[in-house]
Amino acid sequence: GAVVSQHPSWVICKSGTSVKIECRSLDFQATTMFWYRQFPKQSLMLMATSNEGSKATYEQGVEKDKFLINHASLTLSTLTVTSAHPEDSSFYICSAREVGQGYAGELFFGEGSRLTVL
Amino acid sequence: GEDVEQSLFLSVREGDSSVINCTYTDSSSTYLYWYKQEPGAGLQLLTYIFSNMDMKQDQRLTVLLNKKDKHLSLRIADTQTGDSAIYFCAESFNDYKLSFGAGTTVTVRA
Repeated sequence: GAVVSQHPSWVICKSGTSVKIECRSLDFQATTMFWYRQFPKQSLMLMATSNEGSKATYEQGVEKDKFLINHASLTLSTLTVTSAHPEDSSFYICSAREVGQGYAGELFFGEGSRLTVL
Repeated sequence: GEDVEQSLFLSVREGDSSVINCTYTDSSSTYLYWYKQEPGAGLQLLTYIFSNMDMKQDQRLTVLLNKKDKHLSLRIADTQTGDSAIYFCAESFNDYKLSFGAGTTVTVRA
């Protein structure tokens, strides 16, 4: 089946630094990837929709200058948390939809990246 | 807007059936899903149902959809310890965005 991989799976950084998280579709091409944030014991909150070759679409309340998203190729989207602060600590999960996928609506999820900001 | 609600916890004895319930408010959804999340991991798609279907069965999993009441349920037959996890229901629309419930933590006891 389709595989989505995130890297790093765990990152600890100092307050004020920037952290980049990668989301790769390993065996398929993805025109659209989604970035979610999950707080402990809570649901996933959609942050933004990443489209290959164009600007990301951010959900209401998500700071686009804080969470930079780049979808430079059909297999890679990156999320950069700029000037991270402890409140940015969270579990970030990406999902990807395969180009031309006949099954409407199936998304494949990465294993998640846990960010801890000290 | 989208609003998906689930009960937060379910405890079930090994070998019994588990039923996880979900309600949603937006009737324009195209697909409804059940995902499983194990500790520290991403989401695994368990099953899905198209919004014009009433039921779908897939091995130990049975999904029931009551579109009139906007109620979705997942039944797991012969629940095993490996079924302990958080289960999320979700709905999607034509733009493929998913709206998730808060998740139901299922604990299987021996």
